[in-house]
Amino acid sequence: DTEVTQTPKHLVMGMTNKKSLKCEQHMGHRAMYWYKQKAKKPPELMFVYSYEKLSINESVPSRFSPECPNSSLLNLHLHALQPEDSALYLCASSQAGGHPINEQFFGPGTRLTVL
Amino acid sequence: DAKTTQPNSMESNEEEPVHLPCNHSTISGTDYIHWYRQLPSQGPEYVIHGLTSNVNNRMASLAIAEDRKSSTLILHRATLRDAAVYYCILRGGAGGTSYGKLTFGQGTILTVHP
Repeated sequence: DTEVTQTPKHLVMGMTNKKSLKCEQHMGHRAMYWYKQKAKKPPELMFVYSYEKLSINESVPSRFSPECPNSSLLNLHLHALQPEDSALYLCASSQAGGHPINEQFFGPGTRLTVL
Repeated sequence: DAKTTQPNSMESNEEEPVHLPCNHSTISGTDYIHWYRQLPSQGPEYVIHGLTSNVNNRMASLAIAEDRKSSTLILHRATLRDAAVYYCILRGGAGGTSYGKLTFGQGTILTVHP
């Protein structure tokens, strides 16, 4: 199984809501990633988890809170978002260790709209 | 991370070869050259990577210049399904500060005509 799944596919939320994005993989990967992609722009890295510990936070605002409850799951908790946070949120996974040949496997993303 | 430069867009006809160029003049000796592509409404997918030698896999070929300052992704027979944004990415050596990172540039939008 070389699939990364993400739920929900689409999410619409108000600025006062709290919601969560979920990502799951069963490839035995110990590194997981969150990327943000605005329309017609390339993906931008947000967070990296390695062995369930946060290893990289690309100065992301605290209204985005990642969580890695186990080696297969990655969540992104959202609270008090702004309309400019509307984007496609992509999850990826790879073998851990940071070796530059490690391929990253991406999910299809969650399309988030903040009203 | 070292920077890559790609054309904004390219066009091809179906069943013809496509050569997608990438310039990376500041590449370091330990940087690997990766290509990913993103089909419409999907997440990126890995295509191929190389260090110094040319590489082939079931999806594509990667031709790397002798001085490593440029590379070319070759799709041997383009299909409509190959229409996507193609990203050329440099990934630094293990243990560096770029640990695990994929830094995407603007990429090349490939249009394939029937």
